[in-house]
Amino acid sequence: AQSVTQLDSHVSVSEGTPVLLRCNYSSSYSPSLFWYVQHPNKGLQLLLKYTSAATLVKGINGFEAEFKKSETSFHLTKPSAHMSDAAEYFCVVSDISGNTPLVFGKGTRLSVIA
Amino acid sequence: KAGVTQTPRYLIKTRGQQVTLSCSPISGHRSVSWYQQTPGQGLQFLFEYFSETQRNKGNFPGRFSGRQFSNSRSEMNVSTLELGDSALYLCASSSGWDRREKLFFGSGTQLSVL
Repeated sequence: AQSVTQLDSHVSVSEGTPVLLRCNYSSSYSPSLFWYVQHPNKGLQLLLKYTSAATLVKGINGFEAEFKKSETSFHLTKPSAHMSDAAEYFCVVSDISGNTPLVFGKGTRLSVIA
Repeated sequence: KAGVTQTPRYLIKTRGQQVTLSCSPISGHRSVSWYQQTPGQGLQFLFEYFSETQRNKGNFPGRFSGRQFSNSRSEMNVSTLELGDSALYLCASSSGWDRREKLFFGSGTQLSVL
């Protein structure tokens, strides 16, 4: 069985400061991990994914995440927040075979203050 | 290329009624999945279809059903609506069988049950 825990339901940062959204996972098998973003009144969009290649994954809009097996974590970071980054972010897990349904975290709402 | 289209965008129903939601995937995509999104529960997996076959079903009562047609369009139906069914229903499509592939989401159908 797989699960993800997003450690913060809401994160607030000032524009231009770093962003850190935390995600821990549990998986019986080697996981595939994803971050999706949802802007208000929109569907979700893939930011980045990890599928057993490089542990540091770069995504769109300057986001990146590092897979740390020893810590069972897949935290999302960005060096400098922009107002347009304000959205809901979801950490998602599947097993590495891709044969089990995706499991979504409950989401972290990111607010960016001018 | 057109994105994932969900209709209708908004729907208001009363308890006991039934509702049908529609999803048109990206052209060429054969996999369609459905999710229920609520503030308290986050995104919960409903069903998944690939080439007209239900591949997996989430932990929802039998009042929730779905199907996929030969052109990959999908519908989901909820019978005997309850107040707790009020939610944003999201549809996502991907090109193939592998769940590690990028999901493309529609903007959702916002269902309100009065």
